[in-house]
Amino acid sequence: DVKVTQSSRYLVKRTGEKVFLECVQDMDHENMFWYRQDPGLGLRLIYFSYDVKMKEKGDIPEGYSVSREKKERFSLILESASTNQTSMYLCASSLIGGEAFFGQGTRLTVV
Amino acid sequence: AQSVTQLGSHVSVSEGALVLLRCNYSSSVPPYLFWYVQYPNQGLQLLLKYTTGATLVKGINGFEAEFKKSETSFHLTKPSAHMSDAAEYFCAVSLHINTGTASKLTFGTGTRLQVTL
Repeated sequence: DVKVTQSSRYLVKRTGEKVFLECVQDMDHENMFWYRQDPGLGLRLIYFSYDVKMKEKGDIPEGYSVSREKKERFSLILESASTNQTSMYLCASSLIGGEAFFGQGTRLTVV
Repeated sequence: AQSVTQLGSHVSVSEGALVLLRCNYSSSVPPYLFWYVQYPNQGLQLLLKYTTGATLVKGINGFEAEFKKSETSFHLTKPSAHMSDAAEYFCAVSLHINTGTASKLTFGTGTRLQVTL
């Protein structure tokens, strides 16, 4: 079974904190993605990566950065958390052109 | 560039009625197309996908979708709705790109399906 594991299910952080969201996949997938999900807006792509140390901006990269030092791990970084970054964050991985497998999500609240 | 449009943020059907969820895409190259389902408080699960070949694709739980290139559509259907089908459904597109480049996966805004008795 493909497994995509996100480090936390729920997270509460203070405004201005640096926040790390970790994601690990065990299927040797090339592609990894970070989305945020908000009611009525669907899934919006923040960043994605197709190889180690390679990253590309998605549709809403502002306020975020990513790191992919190993193939199986893709980290999302909020440099200075703000209340408008309160959301559900979903990590996914896939082969090129293949279906994406999702983690369970991290519900982040910034207070 | 690629994008996905799902018509109707909420769809309500009676149990036993036909389910039709609409998805239109735009893509500059041949697309891969997907439908995902999300049940409350759960992650996304793949229902079905189109890559190449047969344009009518069958998925899990009795769902199917037809790729219509001329209409740039990939609508999801099920002949008879069941109460357990109540969930949010997302259409997604990925470009048919060769190796060495990224495969951006873009989602629509979702359609919430309600099934009534």
